[in-house]
Parts: sequence; C-alpha cells; structure tokens
Amino acid sequence: AQSVTQLGSHVSVSEGALVLLRCNYSSSVPPYLFWYVQYPNQGLQLLLKYTTGATLVKGINGFEAEFKKSETSFHLTKPSAHMSDAAEYFCAVSPQGAQKLVFGQGTRLTINP
Amino acid sequence: GAGVSQTPSNKVTEKGKYVELRCDPISGHTALYWYRQSLGQGPEFLIYFQGTGAADDSGLPNDRFFAVRPEGSVSTLKIQRTERGDSAVYLCASSLFTGGAGELFFGEGSRLTVL
Repeated sequence: AQSVTQLGSHVSVSEGALVLLRCNYSSSVPPYLFWYVQYPNQGLQLLLKYTTGATLVKGINGFEAEFKKSETSFHLTKPSAHMSDAAEYFCAVSPQGAQKLVFGQGTRLTINP
Repeated sequence: GAGVSQTPSNKVTEKGKYVELRCDPISGHTALYWYRQSLGQGPEFLIYFQGTGAADDSGLPNDRFFAVRPEGSVSTLKIQRTERGDSAVYLCASSLFTGGAGELFFGEGSRLTVL
C-alpha cells in the first residue's frame, strides 16, 4: 500500500528565508505526486503536481518541488518565505491509474517576521 | 459560487444519533470523494464515486458509514449510531476523471462533533 511521510509536523522560518518541506513516499512504482496547501478556514488547494516528464515542477506562489526517484522523495521548496505562506501543507500520492489520493500527516509552516 | 459546497459547516450531535452530511460538487465533475480529517492529521480517504456508483469504498471504517450519490451530482455521507471517535472534519472533493493525475477541488468541510 502507498504511504507518505512528511518529516516535521511543524516548520518555522523567518520571512525571506528558504522554505523546505520534506516528503517521502513508499511505492514500488512511482506514483503521481502532489502538494496541497490549506489556509485557515479554507479548503485544500493544489500547489503543484508531478505526473510525468520534467522532474522539477513549478507551482503557484513561487513554490516548486523535485521528484527524485532514487530517494523516493518530493520535497517542496520556496526561495524566500512570505508571511502569507503560513499554512498547513500536505504531500499526497496517487497510485498510477487509481483515482484517489493518500495524504501525509501535514506540516504546519510558521513564518516569523 | 462555483466551488464545492458542503453543508452543514458545523454539526454537533449526541452519541448514538444519526447524521447526514451533504456535498454539492463542481458542475460537470464526474468524480466525487469523501475524506475525514482528524485533528493534527492529514485527510484520510473514505469513498470515491464515479458517476452514481461507488468505485472505491475501501476507506469506510465500518458499516455505520454509508454514502450515496443517486443522480451523479450531490452526495450525502450518512453516519449511524455516532460515536465520539467519529468527531472530525469531513471533507468532500470533486474532479474530472483523469486516472489519478488530476486536481481534486475540496470544499471547506463539515466539522462533526459527537458529545
């Protein structure tokens, strides 16, 4: 069965600093990979996804993630954090051909002024 | 609006009562999903509909949980004999059918509290 591990339930960075949120998955076949963000009192929304092709994918709000098959990882980064990035971030996988997502437990990102 | 709509946004009930949660998906989305999110956890898959039929109900925890989508649009999640452990935010999402590669559009959730 597919599983997702997000290292660090809470991450705190200063405004302007690099954001790095870690995600590892377990699967014998590379799945589709996603990052979703949940702002307070809002529904989850898609940040970016990897399905096929280029392993470095760019998403909304300056975020990007790189699929590394050898490391079974899909870490999320942003060069310079903004206060508005404070939210909960979820990594998710979808086994190829399956029409459902398996989510990690989430990482709460706090931005310090 | 044109997004996924869930009602009620909050529901407080007593242990043993019956609860219905409603989801109105984005028009034209054939796939509909229910997830459950407990405090401090990621969303946990419950059930997925393709059209009117439940294509995958492997996440329903037990037979107290049931969901329907009779006309292929609105869905209702039904919980019988509620227990305190059922307290969570129930999320609904919809999407086009894309073999798993597409974006899910989530509602804001229905927060269920069982006293």
